[in-house]
Amino acid sequence: LAKTTQPISMDSYEGQEVNITCSHNNIATNDYITWYQQFPSQGPRFIIQGYKTKVTNEVASLFIPADRKSSTLSLPRVSLSDTAVYYCLVAGYSTLTFGKGTMLLVSP
Amino acid sequence: EAGVTQFPSHSVIEKGQTVTLRCDPISGHDNLYWYRRVMGKEIKFLLHFVKESKQDESGMPNNRFLAERTGGTYSTLKVQPAELEDSGVYFCASSQVGMNSPLHFGNGTRLTVT
Repeated sequence: LAKTTQPISMDSYEGQEVNITCSHNNIATNDYITWYQQFPSQGPRFIIQGYKTKVTNEVASLFIPADRKSSTLSLPRVSLSDTAVYYCLVAGYSTLTFGKGTMLLVSP
Repeated sequence: EAGVTQFPSHSVIEKGQTVTLRCDPISGHDNLYWYRRVMGKEIKFLLHFVKESKQDESGMPNNRFLAERTGGTYSTLKVQPAELEDSGVYFCASSQVGMNSPLHFGNGTRLTVT
């Protein structure tokens, strides 16, 4: 399974755009990139998934360069409720391996 | 649709006792997973069911842990006898058939072994 590296923590203010980058240098051909969000006392929640280029949904955008060795989760105009831990996972099958995640703190 | 539900939300037991955790996946999801987060550590995979069959149980820590999914619906994870190091949050997740189908997680069961 591909190992991922992402920032331990990030701080932002309400209304800003937040970009969290994840490195996955040894990503395999079959691997997809999936991001999850986790609030305290809750299970991880699926945000977005992509294989290459750009994916956008109502919550976020995911940017994946051509070499797929990294990916960037973009959260537009964050609010206080976006304060959470964000996990980047890479896997070709659903046996996901979670890393330490990025703790995003959004302040007023 | 109802999400993944886990019961109980919190359990406190003494070392040596037995505890059974239950997970009800989203209806129609053939894939069911158990994960665990021990205090201060990362979320770790325990095992994966496809319907009632164990597809991958490589993450099960030892033979004190027994997971079942009779009939391919809900699943139970029994810890017997419980040890102090078993304390943590146990998450269940389910997904539809298909590679890379997103996992839907329950809110976990917090197990405290004293």
